[in-house]
Parts: sequence; C-alpha cells; structure tokens
Amino acid sequence: DVKVTQSSRYLVKRTGEKVFLECVQDMDHENMFWYRQDPGLGLRLIYFSYDVKMKEKGDIPEGYSVSREKKERFSLILESASTNQTSMYLCASSSGVTGVGYGYTFGSGTRLTVV
Amino acid sequence: AQTVTQSQPEMSVQEAETVTLSCTYDTSESDYYLFWYKQPPSRQMILVIRQEAYKQQNATENRFSVNFQKAAKSFSLKISDSQLGDAAMYFCAYRSASAGKSTFGDGTTLTVKP
Repeated sequence: DVKVTQSSRYLVKRTGEKVFLECVQDMDHENMFWYRQDPGLGLRLIYFSYDVKMKEKGDIPEGYSVSREKKERFSLILESASTNQTSMYLCASSSGVTGVGYGYTFGSGTRLTVV
Repeated sequence: AQTVTQSQPEMSVQEAETVTLSCTYDTSESDYYLFWYKQPPSRQMILVIRQEAYKQQNATENRFSVNFQKAAKSFSLKISDSQLGDAAMYFCAYRSASAGKSTFGDGTTLTVKP
C-alpha cells in the first residue's frame, strides 16, 4: 500500500514560532501537496510540488513556505506562526502526468494549534 | 479557475437505505477527472471512486456509484445499502488532465442512523 506519513498528529506551538510540518511518501510519487482543512471551507491548497526542488504556490500561500530536497519528502514551513494558522494540515501525493487520473493518497493529517 | 460545489453540508440516512450526495463543478476544459473522497471521523481521507470525463459510463465500486452528467457538470455519489461505517465527511474533487492539483468542494457530512 502507498503510504503518506505526516510526522505529527497533533502540535501545539506559540505565536511567532517557526513551525515545520513533515511529510514522507514511499511510492516514488512525483507530485506532493499541502492542503489545510477548516470547517465550512473544505480543503484549500497551500503549496504543491511536481518534482524535487520545484514548488508552486497554491490558493493560500501567504505565511507559508515549502521545501522539497528529496523526492519522498515535502516539508511545510510556517515562518512565524499565527493564531489564524490553527488548522488541520493534510499532505497528499500522487503519480505524475500519467497517473493524474488515479487521485491522491493522503496522510493522516496534523492538527496544529497556535496559542 | 475551476470550482466545485457541494450544496448539502449535512445529510443523514437510515442504515440499509440509499443516499445520494450532490456535487456540481465549473470548468471550461473537456478532459478531466472527478473523484469522491471519504474522511471518517479522526481518520485518514481515502479515495472512494473516480470518473474520467471522456467516459460516458458511470463508475461503480461495490455499493458506491456515481451519476455523471457532463453537460450539466454534475457528479453525484450514490451509496446503496448504507452501513454505519459509511458515516464520514465526503469530498467531491476535480482534477484537470493536464495539471496535478485538485480542487475540492466544502464537503458533506453523512450520518448513518441505526
């Protein structure tokens, strides 16, 4: 089975801290994604990556950055955490162009609380 | 930009009955994919069913089937013989054939009553 592993299930951080959310997939997928999930707002795309060292902004990139130094790992960085970044963060991966039709594999999510 | 709309924030169904979740989308593209994902409470989101836009035949996966109406840009999910384990939030998603990212609806929370 394809696995997407997010390093933390729950995190509590203080306002102003730099926060790293890690995501690792084990199926050699080219594409990786970070979404945040908020009640009533569905899933909103923060950043995505089609390949190592490549990144693209999603719909809500402000306050976030990403890093993809290795194909299997995609990190989301909150440069200076704020309370409005309290949310559930979902990482997903998928095959490249030839696998577009096969959907995403999601991680279990990280529920981040910023106090 | 593509948009996906799920007009039913909450639905409920009696165990063993059938329920249909609605989804509409907006796109100018002709080649794309549509998906339904399931997110059980406090559990991982998983893919339930997928549909290629170029296929007229509706996709089916066991008790789950879709009604894909391309001209109307409608993609509903039918769950037959509902089970308690079907209780979850369901998300409809659109993905262009030429782009890797998906656009999701806001989700529908399904309650299954015993």
